[in-house]
Amino acid sequence: EPEVTQTPSHQVTQMGQEVILRCVPISNHLYFYWYRQILGQKVEFLVSFYNNEISEKSEIFDDQFSVERPDGSNFTLKIRSTKLEDSAMYFCASAIQGAYSPLHFGNGTRLTVT
Amino acid sequence: QQPVQSPQAVILREGEDAVINCSSSKALYSVHWYRQKHGEAPVFLMILLKGGEQKGHDKISASFNEKKQQSSLYLTASQLSYSGTYFCGTAGSISGAGSYQLTFGKGTKLSVIP
Repeated sequence: EPEVTQTPSHQVTQMGQEVILRCVPISNHLYFYWYRQILGQKVEFLVSFYNNEISEKSEIFDDQFSVERPDGSNFTLKIRSTKLEDSAMYFCASAIQGAYSPLHFGNGTRLTVT
Repeated sequence: QQPVQSPQAVILREGEDAVINCSSSKALYSVHWYRQKHGEAPVFLMILLKGGEQKGHDKISASFNEKKQQSSLYLTASQLSYSGTYFCGTAGSISGAGSYQLTFGKGTKLSVIP
């Protein structure tokens, strides 16, 4: 069964550094998402992406964050200047028909900011 | 807007039943249910798209009451493998521009013990 893949599985970075989290969504999916989950807490929506542009973003997704689909397969989340509070598990998800179809999640990237 | 889940946590003995509720102050257009095991990604269980809809597979089912703006997940004859955190997600639009994203509740931690 096709799946969403994320790399790296774990990223450790120093405060103020830039990180890029990578995702390869399922190939025939059109809607892409980033969510984050601080340890033991809920899964929080960051941003949705469709037709090569951001369709929705939450208040968490401020100017420090950006997303890109540089080619036909990868979907990336960049954090420009990481803060301690950015430490979390970041999940990429994709769907065929947006929020009216199942979201398929990747296994996540655990980001640790020191 | 974040849906509200109840209870926050429940402990069951194998074979017992449980109900997890999800409600929203806004009109619900669809409700998703996901299960997340510790250290893993959320996994899709089911989606309900219409009021009055009920779905199920194996011994897990769900209902969607559009009027009451709520959904319930039913787990019958629970098994050890049912342990995990259950999240409901509701489709909504932040921008009001017609695109939607899934917002998750805080989750219900279900522990099934022998």
